[in-house]
Amino acid sequence: GQNIDQPTEMTATEGAIVQINCTYQTSGFNGLFWYQQHAGEAPTFLSYNVLDGLEEKGRFSSFLSRSKGYSYLLLKELQMKDSASYLCAVNAGNNRKLIWGLGTSLGVNP
Amino acid sequence: KAGVTQTPRYLIKTRGQQVTLSCSPISGHRSVSWYQQTPGQGLQFLFEYFSETQRNKGNFPGRFSGRQFSNSRSEMNVSTLELGDSALYLCASKTGFDTEAFFGQGTRLTVV
Repeated sequence: GQNIDQPTEMTATEGAIVQINCTYQTSGFNGLFWYQQHAGEAPTFLSYNVLDGLEEKGRFSSFLSRSKGYSYLLLKELQMKDSASYLCAVNAGNNRKLIWGLGTSLGVNP
Repeated sequence: KAGVTQTPRYLIKTRGQQVTLSCSPISGHRSVSWYQQTPGQGLQFLFEYFSETQRNKGNFPGRFSGRQFSNSRSEMNVSTLELGDSALYLCASKTGFDTEAFFGQGTRLTVV
């Protein structure tokens, strides 16, 4: 079957670093997306990992290990505006279907 | 350039009625996907259209249907509405199969 697991909730302090993990079991793998969704808003694209390793984009970095079926999103220098839900999605199979995790709700405290 | 536009933004319907939601993708995007989002179930994939053809389909009953027009605009229809259909319906468009999706603001459907 297709399965993606993420922690349901996390909290962190402003200025800190937080790592949000995502593990997956899918039929075929083409890449892994991370999206951010603020309450009441549409999800917005953060990153797309196809190959193993770390990709850095400003304060956000995303890591992928295909052999372990594992990814994480690293947020540095946390700001209050980073309070949001973070969604992990796998591009799976020959038909390129997106399989979504339930999301991790991140709360940033002052 | 303009983003993904969904109409209407809010809708209240009665059980048993049917509803049609509309999505205008970003210009040049030929793929349009529809999702249902609820607090407990997260983002649930409904279907994806590419160049007027349904490419992928989620595990929803036949009451949920969609279509895509030659200008890439898409509609989804839900017939015989149930209370459990109350949700945020999101549309996303993208240029190709391995590119990021851009989401619209969604249509908040409430069934009473």
